[in-house]
Amino acid sequence: AQSVAQPEDQVNVAEGNPLTVKCTYSVSGNPYLFWYVQYPNRGLQFLLKYITGDNLVKGSYGFEAEFNKSQTSFHLKKPSALVSDSALYFCAVRDESEGYQKVTFGTGTKLQVIP
Amino acid sequence: DVKVTQSSRYLVKRTGEKVFLECVQDMDHENMFWYRQDPGLGLRLIYFSYDVKMKEKGDIPEGYSVSREKKERFSLILESASTNQTSMYLCASSFGPRAHEQYFGPGTRLTVT
Repeated sequence: AQSVAQPEDQVNVAEGNPLTVKCTYSVSGNPYLFWYVQYPNRGLQFLLKYITGDNLVKGSYGFEAEFNKSQTSFHLKKPSALVSDSALYFCAVRDESEGYQKVTFGTGTKLQVIP
Repeated sequence: DVKVTQSSRYLVKRTGEKVFLECVQDMDHENMFWYRQDPGLGLRLIYFSYDVKMKEKGDIPEGYSVSREKKERFSLILESASTNQTSMYLCASSFGPRAHEQYFGPGTRLTVT
């Protein structure tokens, strides 16, 4: 079985400061990991994914995420937060050993960037 | 750009009604998904389909059924709507058998009274 946890319901950060949104996962095989963002009153948008290779993945809007196999984590990061980054962020995982395209999403973390 | 459209943004139905939610994608994606989104629970998978006429149960299929007669269209059916099915419903699609990202529609906010 695959699962993903986002331990923080909300993260507050001052504009211009670095931000981190945490995600940990559990799979039987190798993980495929994703981050999505949901802006108010809009659908989810894909930010970035880890499949294999370099542990640091770069994505849209200046976001990046670091895959850490030993800690089973895939934290989302950005060096300098913008007010426009305020949104709901979802981490998702798919176990490579699962037969189909089923992806499990976390419960979401609300990011609030304070001007 | 991939476009995923859903038939309604807002829908209000009465308890016991049969409800159809339609989703259409325009990028010839093999995979399509229905989720519901509830505060504090994130996205939960109801059903997904990896080919025409094929469907697989997700984590919360009870009370729902699906239909995929054409590749671009995936319908979610609530046979007899209940108040606990009040939620935001999101449709998504993705390409191929590997770990490709999903593209989401804008969502349908369903209220069952």
